[in-house]
Amino acid sequence: DGGITQSPKYLFRKEGQNVTLSCEQNLNHDAMYWYRQDPGQGLRLIYYSQIVNDFQKGDIAEGYSVSREKKESFPLTVTSAQKNPTAFYLCASSILDYNEQFFGPGTRLTVL
Amino acid sequence: GQQLNQSPQSMFIQEGEDVSMNCTSSSIFNTWLWYKQDPGEGPVLLIALYKAGELTSNGRLTAQFGITRKDSFLNISASIPSDVGIYFCAGRLPGEAGNNRKLIWGLGTSLAVNP
Repeated sequence: DGGITQSPKYLFRKEGQNVTLSCEQNLNHDAMYWYRQDPGQGLRLIYYSQIVNDFQKGDIAEGYSVSREKKESFPLTVTSAQKNPTAFYLCASSILDYNEQFFGPGTRLTVL
Repeated sequence: GQQLNQSPQSMFIQEGEDVSMNCTSSSIFNTWLWYKQDPGEGPVLLIALYKAGELTSNGRLTAQFGITRKDSFLNISASIPSDVGIYFCAGRLPGEAGNNRKLIWGLGTSLAVNP
């Protein structure tokens, strides 16, 4: 089945450690996105990518980094510079010229 | 970043009741999207709207693109327990290619249904 996978579902890390969240899609979508969701805050855009080897900062990119070496993959690294990394992280993808974004199941990151 | 005004923030209704929620913006949008999110899961697209005045249904759900292009409404008829979740609106501003890939999101309407 086509879709977006995120792994793992739950992730625990110690403060000060970098951690990479996986996002893979087999929908052949050009654009991919990373969002952060906190209770009562809605979805906030971290980074997005429209084509391979290119990406742009979203509204809250500080403390995060991404890469887009393959069309299917858009991993997100939460660095130790991110002040409050505990959150629910959502990956999405879309066809480039269409507005509808399709989401993965999310990864809940807890930093202890 | 810019956000949409989504209301109500939460609703608690009886099974079988109809539900209405809306999103408003100070800016004109050329796309409105409505999503539903179950606890601990990613949002699922319910309805997409592309033209001012457009009225679109998806089963018991009906959404409308406001004529002013600054608002959108979602109605759920005859609610059932599985309608529980958070409903988000999202919109896209007209503008230059690239920057307009971003969606502007509401903060969500949390719906609880009493069986």
